Amino acid sequence: QQQVKQSPQSLIVQKGGISIINCAYENTAFDYFPWYQQFPGKGPALLIAIRPDVSEKKEGRFTISFNKSAKQFSLHIMDSQPGDSATYFCAAHHAGNMLTFGGGTRLMVKP
Amino acid sequence: EPEVTQTPSHQVTQMGQEVILRCVPISNHLYFYWYRQILGQKVEFLVSFYNNEISEKSEIFDDQFSVERPDGSNFTLKIRSTKLEDSAMYFCASKRIAKNIQYFGAGTRLSVL
Repeated sequence: QQQVKQSPQSLIVQKGGISIINCAYENTAFDYFPWYQQFPGKGPALLIAIRPDVSEKKEGRFTISFNKSAKQFSLHIMDSQPGDSATYFCAAHHAGNMLTFGGGTRLMVKP
Repeated sequence: EPEVTQTPSHQVTQMGQEVILRCVPISNHLYFYWYRQILGQKVEFLVSFYNNEISEKSEIFDDQFSVERPDGSNFTLKIRSTKLEDSAMYFCASKRIAKNIQYFGAGTRLSVL
């Protein structure tokens, strides 16, 4: 019940295209859903986050869509750029303060 | 911009040896965490620490692991007797009280031979 399932595992998008990464969870006690971006050799860096009482949050080219009834959320990267090539992790925050991470999506944006 | 710093960046050790991984959290943060990431796998929670004690720990965090805040700035993870399967990237994270955002360090790559 603590799992967060993420798909796809890898994604190739042309420059200028839309990258979409999906996550699903079971535990309704999760209260905060961040997305982290990780470049090789670096730690995860917070990209954008959403609370379950909000259906959508947009920051620049990055949008989170949240479907509470379906227990799913997704990250959309508009106008994807080669510099966006990284591994993306969805996560869910538990009231006990820990983060449960999805399995990660390796995104490659082709020029 | 303040950041979480971790040392060393890479630690190589022999199986059975003790290792200490060090972290300096962001200065006004009061919650501290250790996570690990085995190569190619997801980031896994190990332990959270608040007010000088462990607040939560995962099944991975067994008796071989311990954490300590030896002074006002450092936060350490000790593995008492390393095993081959402890080879992973270990990330330290910290956050402010009453905030959800956890900030991660660049990690320490632990290689157990």
